[in-house]
Amino acid sequence: VMTQTPLSLSVTPGQPASISCRSSQSLLHSQGKTYLYWFLQKPGQSPQLLIYEASSRFSGVPDRFSGSGSGTDFTLKISRVEAEDVGIYYCLQGTHFPRTFGPGTKVEIK
Amino acid sequence: EVHLVESGGGLVQPGGSLRLSCAASGFTFSNYWMTWVRQTPGKGLEWVANIKGDGSVTYYVDSLRGRFTISRDNAKNSLYLQMNSLTAEDTAFYYCAREVYYNSPDYWGQGALVTVSS
Repeated sequence: VMTQTPLSLSVTPGQPASISCRSSQSLLHSQGKTYLYWFLQKPGQSPQLLIYEASSRFSGVPDRFSGSGSGTDFTLKISRVEAEDVGIYYCLQGTHFPRTFGPGTKVEIK
Repeated sequence: EVHLVESGGGLVQPGGSLRLSCAASGFTFSNYWMTWVRQTPGKGLEWVANIKGDGSVTYYVDSLRGRFTISRDNAKNSLYLQMNSLTAEDTAFYYCAREVYYNSPDYWGQGALVTVSS
């Protein structure tokens, strides 16, 4: 089971934001990697990949986005929130079958 | 540029069937696992099924195995999802997506809305 906190977040542009994702079991795979991913679903759009394997930024993702964590606890950080960052952020675990998504964290701009 | 376009969504009666298609372009389709993910207001994002590049291996979420069938036609660069015995709980946006990373999509289509209602 994947949980996310907070479920909603209101941020002033230029300020940092942090979202937590917690798994009920360790996401360290026997292959030695941690298959935790972060997605952003902007309003009216399909999800887009931000972070793969817990801490690697996907191609084209601004460096204000960073992922960290290990085991069961993970964090997505936005160093300086911009207006285009609004939407719902989801974590996804791919270590255990079936892969499962977190409930999502809605980020809005103050 | 990776491009995925779903089609085939619509209104279907309970107990009916529907086949979704996903047209892929911008990459060598047969080299990639492909996946279907659905999204409902109530249950959020739910992985449905995925299929290996050559079509030889498929996986399904337990709750849908037996009713849904994923397939692909690499000659047509197309992915499919056959959905049978549909219920209201299957009402959702269905996304096709490419997989690059282990058990994770990278690029997603825009989604197809399936509504199951009488």
